[in-house]
Amino acid sequence: GENVEQHPSTLSVQEGDSAVIKCTYSDSASNYFPWYKQELGKGPQLIIDIRSNVGEKKDQRIAVTLNKTAKHFSLHITETQPEDSAVYFCAASRGSSYKLIFGSGTRLLVRP
Amino acid sequence: SAVISQKPSRDICQRGTSLTIQCQVDSQVTMMFWYRQQPGQSLTLIATANQGSEATYESGFVIDKFPISRPNLTFSTLTVSNMSPEDSSIYLCSVDGLAGHYNEQFFGPGTRLTVL
Repeated sequence: GENVEQHPSTLSVQEGDSAVIKCTYSDSASNYFPWYKQELGKGPQLIIDIRSNVGEKKDQRIAVTLNKTAKHFSLHITETQPEDSAVYFCAASRGSSYKLIFGSGTRLLVRP
Repeated sequence: SAVISQKPSRDICQRGTSLTIQCQVDSQVTMMFWYRQQPGQSLTLIATANQGSEATYESGFVIDKFPISRPNLTFSTLTVSNMSPEDSSIYLCSVDGLAGHYNEQFFGPGTRLTVL
């Protein structure tokens, strides 16, 4: 069945450094790829997304890249801050449907 | 900005009992979904709540265990029936079509359920 693999499972960076989280998906028909940030005790927050007709999207310090041929997409956070510490989930649509398949999550720790 | 709320925010329940979780949105949305997030794990879709008709369940989830209602475009409930400790999880509702954002899902704050 459809699958989304995410790595690393944990990532520790120094404040100001960049962080990169990578995901691969199995369904070649997937066309929507959101990223969510989940802080402790809260629901996931949509932080950025990309659709299959775009290769890269940027919003201030965060960016997402998509390689459809290789079926992988990545989240890039630059100039990390302690408040970026959270669990990040990638997701891919099940084909062109509205249903999402989530990766296993990456726990990001930004050390001050 | 639009608000998604869930009630209760957390609960501790005895095995064999049932709990109904409410999801309320302050504006109409097209789609509503229910997810389960087991401790330290990722999110798994339970079902799509359909307005005015039976919910659409994912593989491994059945209506008898997780009955769902969606009486209108802003409200849905998920019941966790005949609970066991394995049902201890965070239950999340999400919505699509919030404030004109179509084909994007936004999540509520979650309901943290512990079954003893």
